[in-house]
Amino acid sequence: DQQVKQNSPSLSVQEGRISILNCDYTNSMFDYFLWYKKYPAEGPTFLISISSIKDKNEDGRFTVFLNKSAKHLSLHIVPSQPGDSAVYFCAASAFGTYKYIFGTGTRLKVLA
Amino acid sequence: DTGVSQNPRHKITKRGQNVTFRCDPISEHNRLYWYRQTLGQGPEFLTYFQNEAQLEKSRLLSDRFSAERPKGSFSTLEIQRTEQGDSAMYLCASSSHTTGSTEAFFGQGTRLTVV
Repeated sequence: DQQVKQNSPSLSVQEGRISILNCDYTNSMFDYFLWYKKYPAEGPTFLISISSIKDKNEDGRFTVFLNKSAKHLSLHIVPSQPGDSAVYFCAASAFGTYKYIFGTGTRLKVLA
Repeated sequence: DTGVSQNPRHKITKRGQNVTFRCDPISEHNRLYWYRQTLGQGPEFLTYFQNEAQLEKSRLLSDRFSAERPKGSFSTLEIQRTEQGDSAMYLCASSSHTTGSTEAFFGQGTRLTVV
């Protein structure tokens, strides 16, 4: 049972435009969500997180939006840069647990 | 402190051999996690420690897998009698209980190939 789903395996965006990566979840007990970026042969790098008490969190070019009623979150990258090309993972955890459940990832390619 | 450190980076072993991986977390972090990632999948949780106590184990962690964190510092993950299905990237992460944020920081991983 895939509790965290990233339905788009890949996404291509022109440099300077907005990248929108989507994530859906099924477990209503999840209350903390994170996005990680992963380059080949490296471990995931933390990007941004959001608690379920918020619906938006911004950090520089990265903004995460959370829609609890739809059980959906998205990561916006504006403006996209070639160095953003990587695999992006959405992850979630439930209150009182510390393990993350990851999606299968979306490969973002930013074209120069 | 340069982050979470994992050794070795790569390990090739013959089926049936035992292997051990080491993880050194960020020094002030009291939580340590092990995940496994296979091709095309996201990381899957294996186990987690708070200080030296192993508080949760996934059912993915069969009897052939054991993890320790003596003295609440570095951790080791041992796989006995390796099988080809154990081939994966093994990721370690750590987080702090005291900073108020719960994001975990990952190491670069140990890639295991069982031949």
